[in-house]
Amino acid sequence: DAKTTQPPSMDCAEGRAANLPCNHSTISGNEYVYWYRQIHSQGPQYIIHGLKNNETNEMASLIITEDRKSSTLILPHATLRDTAVYYCIVRVVFQGAQKLVFGQGTRLTINP
Amino acid sequence: DVKVTQSSRYLVKRTGEKVFLECVQDMDHENMFWYRQDPGLGLRLIYFSYDVKMKEKGDIPEGYSVSREKKERFSLILESASTNQTSMYLCASTERSQYNEQFFGPGTRLTVL
Repeated sequence: DAKTTQPPSMDCAEGRAANLPCNHSTISGNEYVYWYRQIHSQGPQYIIHGLKNNETNEMASLIITEDRKSSTLILPHATLRDTAVYYCIVRVVFQGAQKLVFGQGTRLTINP
Repeated sequence: DVKVTQSSRYLVKRTGEKVFLECVQDMDHENMFWYRQDPGLGLRLIYFSYDVKMKEKGDIPEGYSVSREKKERFSLILESASTNQTSMYLCASTERSQYNEQFFGPGTRLTVL
């Protein structure tokens, strides 16, 4: 399984863009990068995923480097409700079902 | 709105008790998962199921069993609860297609005394 490395914590001012980095240098060619977040006392929430092209949805943008060894999740206009732990995950397929390997994540704090 | 629900948000049990954690999803998903989450250890997969009556061990199945009699329901069983099973338990589901995201329930915080 490809491992991911994320900074343990980050701060961002409300209204600014939050850029969360993730390193996954051992990722293989058919593995996707997924981002989830977990707000305190809630279950994880899917944000976005990608293979090699940049992706954008209503929640965030995902930028994957050309060599696919790292990626950045961008929350364009962070709000206080975006305070959460953000997990960068490389998806592994096992027995036909998805197995998500969660690391320690980045604790993002949005400051007023 | 799609939902994964878990039977309890908080549960307190005594050592040696048999504990049932229930998870129900209304999305007709084939795959269902049980994780536990502990500080400093992140999420760890206990068991998963890719069809009714089918189950596969995850990374930490010891001390647990599961049951999937109906597609929408996946139960986690602690045959004889121990204090080291005090944790947050999270259920998730996903369609069979490998490119879909997992939907998580709100979690059950279990304390074993």
